[in-house]
Amino acid sequence: SQKIEQNSEALNIQEGKTATLTCNYTNYSPAYLQWYRQDPGRGPVFLLLIRENEKEKRKERLKVTFDTTLKQSLFHITASQPADSATYLCALDSPFSGGYNKLIFGAGTRLAVHP
Amino acid sequence: EAGVAQSPRYKIIEKRQSVAFWCNPISGHATLYWYQQILGQGPKLLIQFQNNGVVDDSQLPKDRFSAERLKGVDSTLKIQPAKLEDSAVYLCASSLGGAGMVTEQFFGPGTRLTVL
Repeated sequence: SQKIEQNSEALNIQEGKTATLTCNYTNYSPAYLQWYRQDPGRGPVFLLLIRENEKEKRKERLKVTFDTTLKQSLFHITASQPADSATYLCALDSPFSGGYNKLIFGAGTRLAVHP
Repeated sequence: EAGVAQSPRYKIIEKRQSVAFWCNPISGHATLYWYQQILGQGPKLLIQFQNNGVVDDSQLPKDRFSAERLKGVDSTLKIQPAKLEDSAVYLCASSLGGAGMVTEQFFGPGTRLTVL
């Protein structure tokens, strides 16, 4: 079965720096990959989607890369702010979804941005 | 646009009791998902509906969990009887996606279940 690895330890960075979060996966290569943000006591919120034929996607201060050779996605937040502190979840599509957009989530990485 | 609504937000029960959760997805969203999120883990899909039909329930413990989506809108998830290991946050999500569509999922706030 698909295994998704995200840094289990929290990432602590200084305000203004770039945060880089890693998502590694094994076995099959997904057709697409999504990143979500989750704040304590809330449901995940969609941030970005990247397809297997796309190397990079950007949205404001966010950038996602997708390397199917390395089986890895990197998620970057530039000019980070304390408000960016949250848990970030990586999610891959499942090949057994019958085309119905089924996602498998990683455990997430907690980001803490300090003033 | 109203988001995904869930109730209750919190529930505490004793093991072997029953519990039900309710979800109202975003209007017009054909796909509805129920996830279980144990502390420190990512959401795990329990069941996925397309309109009022089940497209995936492979990870639903069917001996104790059941779910329905009447008229393709609201959904309820039931646990009967509950076990200690069912303590988790139960998230409902919805999306526009049908077969072959790749879309984002919109999540509700979740119901935190504690089984004593």
